[in-house]
Amino acid sequence: GQQVMQIPQYQHVQEGEDFTTYCNSSTTLSNIQWYKQRPGGHPVFLIQLVKSGEVKKQKRLTFQFGEAKKNSSLHITATQTTDVGTYFCASRLPDTAGNKLTFGGGTRVLVKP
Amino acid sequence: DAGVIQSPRHEVTEMGQEVTLRCKPISGHDYLFWYRQTMMRGLELLIYFNNNVPIDDSGMPEDRFSAKMPNASFSTLKIQPSEPRDSAVYFCASSLRAGVGNQPQHFGDGTRLSIL
Repeated sequence: GQQVMQIPQYQHVQEGEDFTTYCNSSTTLSNIQWYKQRPGGHPVFLIQLVKSGEVKKQKRLTFQFGEAKKNSSLHITATQTTDVGTYFCASRLPDTAGNKLTFGGGTRVLVKP
Repeated sequence: DAGVIQSPRHEVTEMGQEVTLRCKPISGHDYLFWYRQTMMRGLELLIYFNNNVPIDDSGMPEDRFSAKMPNASFSTLKIQPSEPRDSAVYFCASSLRAGVGNQPQHFGDGTRLSIL
């Protein structure tokens, strides 16, 4: 069935390095949302992308929506220990009503100091 | 402003017992969602409500699970009888009505459920 796939599942990053996590779908998406869940916490909304090719930045985080609106990426520069957590992408799939979102499996980020 | 409030935060009970999880959404939000999170299956949508009406319950695992939303400020998720495989973190989330894009979903702190 239709779903949203995230890679990698796990990301071990040395503090200070950059990394990117990806979100892919086989179908065209109307929008993409990104959430962060700290260990032991709950998912917290970060950002939403709606337009083809859209790029948004939040400090060291850069979010991009693909031109075909089938993929998205989250790039973090100069990783810090506060970036530890699981990052989820989520989208409303075609033929889905209301505000129902389908979440990807998440990328769990571990930072080595 | 108060966020989504869930209770209890932790629940440990023996299999076969009835479990009731509670959620108070953010005031003014039209949508309420119940999710289950496990390491194996990730974050799964169980059911969601729009204006207190259940819209999609296709994620509810089986008849042992039921959810209600008697009014705009309260929802329950009930498991009867509970089984060890129901052990998970259960999140409630609420949101405003979707527009051109989707609205952010605001999650509660979750209920960590352990069935022995």
